[in-house]
Amino acid sequence: DVKVTQSSRYLVKRTGEKVFLECVQDMDHENMFWYRQDPGLGLRLIYFSYDVKMKEKGDIPEGYSVSREKKERFSLILESASTNQTSMYLCASTYRVNQPQHFGDGTRLSIL
Amino acid sequence: GESVGLHLPTLSVQEGDNSIINCAYSNSASDYFIWYKQESGKGPQFIIDIRSNMDKRQGQRVTVLLNKTVKHLSLQIAATQPGDSAVYFCAENIDKAAGNKLTFGGGTRVLVKP
Repeated sequence: DVKVTQSSRYLVKRTGEKVFLECVQDMDHENMFWYRQDPGLGLRLIYFSYDVKMKEKGDIPEGYSVSREKKERFSLILESASTNQTSMYLCASTYRVNQPQHFGDGTRLSIL
Repeated sequence: GESVGLHLPTLSVQEGDNSIINCAYSNSASDYFIWYKQESGKGPQFIIDIRSNMDKRQGQRVTVLLNKTVKHLSLQIAATQPGDSAVYFCAENIDKAAGNKLTFGGGTRVLVKP
């Protein structure tokens, strides 16, 4: 089975802090994705990556950046956290086009 | 427990009955569709997928139907069990040029009554 592991289940940070969310997958998948999930808004794509050192903006990239230095790891960075970034963050990976994305269990991030 | 969505449509089903969850998709050019299940406090879990060259696909207790004419997707769960209580999302591959980028529906909450 594919395993996508997010480093923290719960995280509390302060406004203005730089925040790192880490995601690791163990199936040598090419593609990795970061989403946020908010009540009433569903899953929204922040950034995705096709390969090491490659990144593409999703639908809501403002206030975020990403890093993919190794194939198995995809990091989401909040450069200067703000309260409107309080959310559930979900990482996913997939091998190729038209294959299901596999998700981690999410990081619930609170910015105070 | 954690709430995935406060304003989701909800389907209440008696244990043992069949459930049907519906989804309207947006792009007639989409060629791949997925159903996910999300339980409280967990990430979405893959249930079943279907490609546009099919109109029906069956899994264990689940069937997905695709009607391309009206851009409609449905998930049928046979003999619904308490463990089926969750939020269900459909997703479509809306932009093949962007690789495996998916667009998700808003979700439907299924509540199974004992």
